[in-house]
Amino acid sequence: EIMLTQSPGTLSLSPGERATLSCRASQNVISNYLAWYQQKPGQAPRLLIYGASSRTTGIPDRFSGSGSGTDFTLTISRLEPEDFAVYYCHQYGSSPPYTFGQGTNLEIK
Amino acid sequence: EVQVVESGGGLVQPGGSLRLSCAVSGFTFSNYWMHWVRQAPGKGLVWVSRLNSDGSITNYADSVKGRFTISRDNAKNTVYLQMNSLRAEDTAVYYCARGGGLGTPRGFDYWGQGVLVTVSS
Repeated sequence: EIMLTQSPGTLSLSPGERATLSCRASQNVISNYLAWYQQKPGQAPRLLIYGASSRTTGIPDRFSGSGSGTDFTLTISRLEPEDFAVYYCHQYGSSPPYTFGQGTNLEIK
Repeated sequence: EVQVVESGGGLVQPGGSLRLSCAVSGFTFSNYWMHWVRQAPGKGLVWVSRLNSDGSITNYADSVKGRFTISRDNAKNTVYLQMNSLRAEDTAVYYCARGGGLGTPRGFDYWGQGVLVTVSS
C-alpha cells in the first residue's frame, strides 16, 4: 500500500499570496497517477489536478501541479478568498487501495 | 450535465446492515469504473471499494473486506454498496465517485454529495 504524506498540515496565508502544498509517496506512483482535490466544509471533494500536472476542465490556471515519482506539489499562484479549504492528494495508479493523503488545511491568516 | 446522487444512508445499530445506492446520469455509465470513498466526521478521505464497468472486477479496502459488497446495474445507471456487520468505526459520510473510463485514468472526476451512515446503539 502506498502511503501519502502531506505537508504542512495547516498553512496560514493571506489572499494574494502563493501557496505551496507538498505530497510525498512512500513508493513511486505508477504513471504519475496523482490527483489533487479541494474540499470545503459540507461539500464533496472537487478534482483539481490529475496525472500530477493536468488541470481539470474549469479549474483556474492559478492552480498548478508538478512532480513525479514520489514527490508532488500543488501550487496556487495567487490565493483568492474562495481557495481557502482542505486539499488532498490521491494516488490512483495500478492496484488498490487508492490512498489519500491526510490533507492540508489552507486557512486565512 | 453529469449528476451523481447517493441515497440510503441513516442510523443503524452495530451489527446491522444498510444498502447505499448511487444513481448517475449525464454520461455513459457502462464505460466507467465506479468507487466508494468515505469520510469519518472531522477526518480525511478513505477509499472503500471499486467496481469495473461490467461489474466483473471488485476490490475492497481491508477494513471492509468480507462485510461490504459493491455491485452495479448498468440498465439503471446505479451502483450499490451493501454494508453488513456494521461497526461504530464505519460511521462516515459515504461518497460515490466516477473513476476511469475508456481513456487514461483521470482520478475521481465526479462525486456525489455524500450520504451519512451512523452506526450507533
